[in-house]
Amino acid sequence: GAVVSQHPSRVICKSGTSVKIECRSLDFQATTMFWYRQFPKQSLMLMATSNEGSKATYEQGVEKDKFLINHASLTLSTLTVTSAHPEDSSFYICSASQANAGNQPQHFGDGTRLSIL
Amino acid sequence: QQQVKQSPQSLIVQKGGISIINCAYENTAFDYFPWYQQFPGKGPALLIAIRPDVSEKKEGRFTISFNKSAKQFSLHIMDSQPGDSATYFCAASKAAGNKLTFGGGTRVLVKP
Repeated sequence: GAVVSQHPSRVICKSGTSVKIECRSLDFQATTMFWYRQFPKQSLMLMATSNEGSKATYEQGVEKDKFLINHASLTLSTLTVTSAHPEDSSFYICSASQANAGNQPQHFGDGTRLSIL
Repeated sequence: QQQVKQSPQSLIVQKGGISIINCAYENTAFDYFPWYQQFPGKGPALLIAIRPDVSEKKEGRFTISFNKSAKQFSLHIMDSQPGDSATYFCAASKAAGNKLTFGGGTRVLVKP
């Protein structure tokens, strides 16, 4: 149980393109999902907390207009990297924990490798 | 401010040996301390987690030791196997479902 799926697993696109990444909880409902960014050989840095039915909460230094988050249902959150540039190239990972189940751990998707040319 | 400090950055262990990774935290509001294992190109997978009301938790070959007064916790991997070669992250949060603060990671290589 507790499977989190991310799509796509890899994206290569031209500079200026907007890219949407989906994060789905496959076998549980998640009122909260988290988006992380990870550079090579580095740790995970929290970008934002995605709340179902409300606005996301962004960490300090993360541009809200650059990284658009939508959490339209209890099983889906999306991250859109708008007008992506080479410096946005990174490994983006989402996580989710089961709603209304009391102190459930976060489970992570397998990440999306974004490469901007 | 790095709230969770992890050491060592890398570790080489012989097959059958013990891998030990240490973490220290600063925020006393943290109440949940998980360890994650990450293979290249994959997301982190939860290994084992502990809360401050216990000093040790063991699951198979993995053991967490927790020292609340010192604000430190560690992961011991017993009988290390080549398949354990991965990056390990400690983390901390105010509750199990809350946002996690990660340590810097430890790359473990288990030599056959």
